[in-house]
Amino acid sequence: DAKTTQPNSMESNEEEPVHLPCNHSTISGTDYIHWYRQLPSQGPEYVIHGLTSNVNNRMASLAIAEDRKSSTLILHRATLRDAAVYYCIAGMEYGNKLVFGAGTILRVKS
Amino acid sequence: KAGVTQTPRYLIKTRGQQVTLSCSPISGHRSVSWYQQTPGQGLQFLFEYFSETQRNKGNFPGRFSGRQFSNSRSEMNVSTLELGDSALYLCASSRRSYQETQYFGPGTRLLVL
Repeated sequence: DAKTTQPNSMESNEEEPVHLPCNHSTISGTDYIHWYRQLPSQGPEYVIHGLTSNVNNRMASLAIAEDRKSSTLILHRATLRDAAVYYCIAGMEYGNKLVFGAGTILRVKS
Repeated sequence: KAGVTQTPRYLIKTRGQQVTLSCSPISGHRSVSWYQQTPGQGLQFLFEYFSETQRNKGNFPGRFSGRQFSNSRSEMNVSTLELGDSALYLCASSRRSYQETQYFGPGTRLLVL
């Protein structure tokens, strides 16, 4: 699993898009990029994952750079319920081991 | 489909005691992982079980142990509790043992006095 670098915190206005960046310059060719988020007083929640192509699901979009050294999680319209810590994880060890960094604290203003 | 459940949700113990936490995975999931979350160290992987076998283990002392039953339910045990073991213990389940999306439970908050 590759080391990831994320901003400590970001702030967004409600109803606006949010772009959460993540750098993973040592990622290997077979490492998937995973995003999880943790809302206050809850366990982490899966958001999205991808390998090379951009990915979309009902929660978010994941844009992966062509060289795969960075990625961006996109929340298209932030709501107050999206306020959470967002974790970017590059790769997963055998035994489903996720290595969590400090993540990005997302604050959403009404 | 019911999510991952953990019991108990809250627990208070004193130093030196032992504790057992339980995790019931999502139906059909055979992999169960355990994590410890503290304000200072963040989320740290404890171990993972798949089909009753431990597949991977984090860097924790031997006081932390676990097991998995044939119905995929898992327990983790911490013996000789220390103040520093106070944490949120999270369990996650997935269908297989590698590169799988993890579904987390709400956690058990353990306070050691």
